[in-house]
Amino acid sequence: KAGVTQTPRYLIKTRGQQVTLSCSPISGHRSVSWYQQTPGQGLQFLFEYFSETQRNKGNFPGRFSGRQFSNSRSEMNVSTLELGDSALYLCASSFGRGRQEEQFFGPGTRLTVL
Amino acid sequence: GENVEQHPSTLSVQEGDSAVIKCTYSDSASNYFPWYKQELGKGPQLIIDIRSNVGEKKDQRIAVTLNKTAKHFSLHITETQPEDSAVYFCAAWVGTGFQKLVFGTGTRLLVSP
Repeated sequence: KAGVTQTPRYLIKTRGQQVTLSCSPISGHRSVSWYQQTPGQGLQFLFEYFSETQRNKGNFPGRFSGRQFSNSRSEMNVSTLELGDSALYLCASSFGRGRQEEQFFGPGTRLTVL
Repeated sequence: GENVEQHPSTLSVQEGDSAVIKCTYSDSASNYFPWYKQELGKGPQLIIDIRSNVGEKKDQRIAVTLNKTAKHFSLHITETQPEDSAVYFCAAWVGTGFQKLVFGTGTRLLVSP
């Protein structure tokens, strides 16, 4: 069974640009959650999607958004990039709504903002 | 609260020794506690988890204990091997209604041959 895949794996952008990251969950999983990982703040929850609807959102500005498609694939978008957005962005999938279910992580997308 | 505290931040042991990582949480409603191992350049990998209806769970060399009264849970690795070297994260589901997974700050484990 294929794991969670994320594309691209690496990305370099400049301040002010926007970026879109993609996540394909494990086959059959319907919930996708996104996390930001930085050395200073650790792993922080961004949002969770289930059945194409955002179910929960972390404490991030509105520049961070996402969506989920009918095949459960998800994308997250960051607009007007800032230097502090440089991070490893991880997505995780679970079978159910992510409510206390096992979450399986992808390898992440390393975003560097110059 | 939604905090998960994790100690120590770094842990160095000799191959064959045991390693213990401890976490505390603040949300009394939390009842699922996973542990993740993250190797360089990879995403976190679920290695073991425990739910609040049990106090201990073991899987070969890895065990997790939970004390709900004290809001403590710990990861125990016995007979450590160099390939156990990685960053380990504890986590807890927090919140009512909308819940989310909150992670500890991580423990860098180094196992020397």
